[in-house]
Amino acid sequence: GENVEQHPSTLSVQEGDSAVIKCTYSDSASNYFPWYKQELGKRPQLIIDIRSNVGEKKDQRIAVTLNKTAKHFSLHITETQPEDSAVYFCAASSNYQLIWGAGTKLIIKP
Amino acid sequence: DAGVIQSPRHEVTEMGQEVTLRCKPISGHDYLFWYRQTMMRGLELLIYFNNNVPIDDSGMPEDRFSAKMPNASFSTLKIQPSEPRDSAVYFCASSLTAKAGELFFGEGSRLTVL
Repeated sequence: GENVEQHPSTLSVQEGDSAVIKCTYSDSASNYFPWYKQELGKRPQLIIDIRSNVGEKKDQRIAVTLNKTAKHFSLHITETQPEDSAVYFCAASSNYQLIWGAGTKLIIKP
Repeated sequence: DAGVIQSPRHEVTEMGQEVTLRCKPISGHDYLFWYRQTMMRGLELLIYFNNNVPIDDSGMPEDRFSAKMPNASFSTLKIQPSEPRDSAVYFCASSLTAKAGELFFGEGSRLTVL
């Protein structure tokens, strides 16, 4: 079955710098890759997603890239701000459900 | 729409007691999911429903866990008897699709079993 690995588990960056979180997946048939943000004590919320017919997608300071050949996708956050501090989860679709990465705790240092 | 509504938000109970968690999905969403989140195991899919019918319950950890969806606007997750290792945050989520669309999560039910 599908397996999604996410790295790093914790990422600490200076405010204003960029952050990159990477995920790899195993099922070449996966075709949908969302990213969710979960602030402390809150629910996960979708921040951006990409489908397999697209290589890159941007939404203001966040972007996702997908390399289907290598079976990996990444989340890029530019000009990080304190409100970006959260746990970020990647996921990949497989058959009838999403398979989740383990999460990355992003810490923004002032 | 008010979003996915879960109750209770917090529950503290003693080992052996029955626990019932409730969820009201977003109106019009055909899919409802129950997830469990812990530090050790991350987000785990327990079960999901399509049009009130359970489709996959392979994530339900044991027979102590059961879930029902008697109608399109209500679902329950029951644990009987509860054990300390069941302590977790339980999220309900709903969606228009099973795997390729946005999941809308409720605020979660934090369960502590003493």
